[in-house]
Amino acid sequence: GNSVTQMEGPVTLSEEAFLTINCTYTATGYPSLFWYVQYPGEGLQLLLKATKADDKGSNKGFEATYRKETTSFHLEKGSVQVSDSAVYFCALASGGSYIPTFGRGTSLIVHP
Amino acid sequence: EAGVAQSPRYKIIEKRQSVAFWCNPISGHATLYWYQQILGQGPKLLIQFQNNGVVDDSQLPKDRFSAERLKGVDSTLKIQPAKLEDSAVYLCASHSSGGFGTEAFFGQGTRLTVV
Repeated sequence: GNSVTQMEGPVTLSEEAFLTINCTYTATGYPSLFWYVQYPGEGLQLLLKATKADDKGSNKGFEATYRKETTSFHLEKGSVQVSDSAVYFCALASGGSYIPTFGRGTSLIVHP
Repeated sequence: EAGVAQSPRYKIIEKRQSVAFWCNPISGHATLYWYQQILGQGPKLLIQFQNNGVVDDSQLPKDRFSAERLKGVDSTLKIQPAKLEDSAVYLCASHSSGGFGTEAFFGQGTRLTVV
């Protein structure tokens, strides 16, 4: 079956630090990969996605590259801001019904 | 474009009581999901609808949970009777029928506390 493994949090960084949140997956078929973000008190929002190997998804300074050979989709940002503090979820969808399967989330805390 | 609407935002009930949540998906989205998100965990799928038919309800605890999507638009999720371990955020999401590469859109969720 499908599953997503994310690094445990919280990840605590100072403003302008470099961010990496690791995500690996197992999937049947050829999945699409997603990062969702959940700000405090809000619902899940799509941050970025990639649909085929070596694709790079990017948005708001965040990037993630679909690595089929390592079954990974790590999230990176070169310089984080306090406003990036949130919970980040890696997810995949594959198979005929494309039901999104989520990792357990990684909390990011950015200090001024 | 209006997003996925859910109500209520918060609900507190005693164990063994019943509760219902409502979801209105994005207009034109054929696929609707209900997820349960327990604190500190990722969302777990409860049920998927395609129009007004159930596609996958294998993770739904059918002895106490039920869901329906009459007319293929709005949906309700019911818990009867509630248990303490049902305390969670219940997320509704909708998806166009585009399939590959398209993403699900989520509502803000209903936070349920069972005491």
